[in-house]
Amino acid sequence: SAVISQKPSRDICQRGTSLTIQCQVDSQVTMMFWYRQQPGQSLTLIATANQGSEATYESGFVIDKFPISRPNLTFSTLTVSNMSPEDSSIYLCSVEVPWQETQYFGPGTRLLVL
Amino acid sequence: AQSVTQLGSHVSVSEGALVLLRCNYSSSVPPYLFWYVQYPNQGLQLLLKYTSAATLVKGINGFEAEFKKSETSFHLTKPSAHMSDAAEYFCAVGGGGADGLTFGKGTHLIIQP
Repeated sequence: SAVISQKPSRDICQRGTSLTIQCQVDSQVTMMFWYRQQPGQSLTLIATANQGSEATYESGFVIDKFPISRPNLTFSTLTVSNMSPEDSSIYLCSVEVPWQETQYFGPGTRLLVL
Repeated sequence: AQSVTQLGSHVSVSEGALVLLRCNYSSSVPPYLFWYVQYPNQGLQLLLKYTSAATLVKGINGFEAEFKKSETSFHLTKPSAHMSDAAEYFCAVGGGGADGLTFGKGTHLIIQP
């Protein structure tokens, strides 16, 4: 498996501001993913972050709103830009462990936008 | 495109009773299938996965799931429910390389004392 940490664990932000969420994994992985879980809902994939290339975004998510960085094989960031109350969600990162075809998830970042 | 349907947003069972959480999938290729559990205010924990080996998959905490291709199902079971099993359970399809996961809407498992 993999041990994944996220910072911050939770935050309360004002509308119009931006928040950067960090994801750190304890081993080198090729693929990292970012998901959103809106209140009482399931998880929706935002984007796939492959080290050394641009992130690939799912339909409905754009780079200007959710810029992602992937500077090395153990770290990624997701920025939620120009936030509105509709961005209040749990944001989770996950990693695909090589040769296991399995994704392991971080503890999530709980974001409330006022 | 892949999709997952979880029947029953809420399932309530008595402590010691059988737990059955239903999951049906749609996939154009042989799928990877997963069950994850989410306890309150926590992230997702992998319960078990199917990756085209044995059709009956055993996971953690006494859970198991059976892959039935003819029924496109991957139902999760546990013979005897425990109070600590109360949580949200998600079925997911996909994965393997660059693919993200497609999740079902989740089933909230309630354990009655």
